[in-house]
Amino acid sequence: DQQVKQNSPSLSVQEGRISILNCDYTNSMFDYFLWYKKYPAEGPTFLISISSIKDKNEDGRFTVFLNKSAKHLSLHIVPSQPGDSAVYFCAASANAGGTSYGKLTFGQGTILTVHP
Amino acid sequence: NAGVTQTPKFQVLKTGQSMTLQCAQDMNHNSMYWYRQDPGMGLRLIYYSASEGTTDKGEVPNGYNVSRLNKREFSLRLESAAPSQTSVYFCASSERRTSVYFGAGTRLSVL
Repeated sequence: DQQVKQNSPSLSVQEGRISILNCDYTNSMFDYFLWYKKYPAEGPTFLISISSIKDKNEDGRFTVFLNKSAKHLSLHIVPSQPGDSAVYFCAASANAGGTSYGKLTFGQGTILTVHP
Repeated sequence: NAGVTQTPKFQVLKTGQSMTLQCAQDMNHNSMYWYRQDPGMGLRLIYYSASEGTTDKGEVPNGYNVSRLNKREFSLRLESAAPSQTSVYFCASSERRTSVYFGAGTRLSVL
């Protein structure tokens, strides 16, 4: 049973427009959510995160929104740039102390392509 | 800054062969992790080590063993490789929730 789902395998947007990537989760114990970006032949790199006590977190062009009641989060990229083309993974963790920080449950990933 | 270093980057094995994937981090993190990524799926946790001297199973531990050699190094061993273990393996280390760092991965094919 997949506890974190990214239902869109791919997304294509024009440079300068907004990219919206979505993620749903089922486990109520998740209290911290992260987005990772992955280029081919590289490991995932941390992009932005949000705690369950917040509903929005912003970092430059990237904003993550959390709707706890719907168990849904989204990543907005504005404006999108060709260099943003990558696979984006949503991940979640449940608070079990410091040893749990890297115990992440990942979604399947969304391939974002930004066209010039 | 090297971060998390994995060796080898690529490996081809025959069914039944054994091998060890190596991982080292230079960030003085206490916790280290092994994940695998299969096509169309997210990363899944194989084993983790909360601190030096401890290891625990993750979501998909069958067919693997691990060793936390010291604070820096965490290895993953396949005793008898099977085609189902063809995957990309990622090592990670962490200290805080926003500081989970991944290596570049080991691409393993089992024929």
